[in-house]
Amino acid sequence: SQKIEQNSEALNIQEGKTATLTCNYTNYSPAYLQWYRQDPGRGPVFLLLIRENEKEKRKERLKVTFDTTLKQSLFHITASQPADSATYLCALGASGTYKYIFGTGTRLKVLA
Amino acid sequence: DTGVSQDPRHKITKRGQNVTFRCDPISEHNRLYWYRQTLGQGPEFLTYFQNEAQLEKSRLLSDRFSAERPKGSFSTLEIQRTEQGDSAMYLCASSPEGMTDTQYFGPGTRLTVL
Repeated sequence: SQKIEQNSEALNIQEGKTATLTCNYTNYSPAYLQWYRQDPGRGPVFLLLIRENEKEKRKERLKVTFDTTLKQSLFHITASQPADSATYLCALGASGTYKYIFGTGTRLKVLA
Repeated sequence: DTGVSQDPRHKITKRGQNVTFRCDPISEHNRLYWYRQTLGQGPEFLTYFQNEAQLEKSRLLSDRFSAERPKGSFSTLEIQRTEQGDSAMYLCASSPEGMTDTQYFGPGTRLTVL
C-alpha cells in the first residue's frame, strides 16, 4: 500500500542553523510533492510545490529537493528562527487523481 | 478575501447523533476538498468537488458520510449515526481553477463524539 514516512520524532535545532526534514514514500509515483506548515489547532498552510521533473525549488529561506529515484524529498529551512517552530507536512499528488496523500508530519522546534 | 471558513469550529455530540459541518471556500475557488485529521496524523483525504460535482471520494469513507456542494459555492459534510472513532478535526480546503496544486485550508471543525 502507499506509504509516506516523515520523522515522527520532533526535531530540535538551534536558532540560525539549517533545519532539514525528510519525506520518504513507497508504492507511489507522485507527479508533484507539496510541503505545508501546520500550527497547533490550525489548518495547514501551503509552502512549496515541486514537480516530478524538478530537482530543486526555492522560496526565500526555504528549499525543497525531490529525488524520484530515491523516492525522497528534503525540505530545508535556512537561518532558522523560533517562529519557524511548527509541524511540517509533506503531501503527494499524482496524475489522474485529485487525492492528496499526507505524511504524518515532523514537529520542528527552533531554540533561541 | 477572508480565506476559507468553517462552521462550527467545535462540535460535541453523543454517539448515534447526526452532525453537519459547513465550509465556505475562498470566493471563486471552484475546487473544494474535505479531509479528516486525528492527533499526530496528517490530513486524510475524504472527498473532492469541482464546482458542484463530487469527482472523487475516498474508499475509506463509509456510507455514514455524505458531502454536498449544491451551488458550487459552500459545501456541507454530514456524518450520520456518529461513532467515537469519528472524533477528529475535519478540514476543508479550496483552490482556484488551474491551480490544483495549492490548497488553502480552513481552520477546521473539531468533532468530539462522547
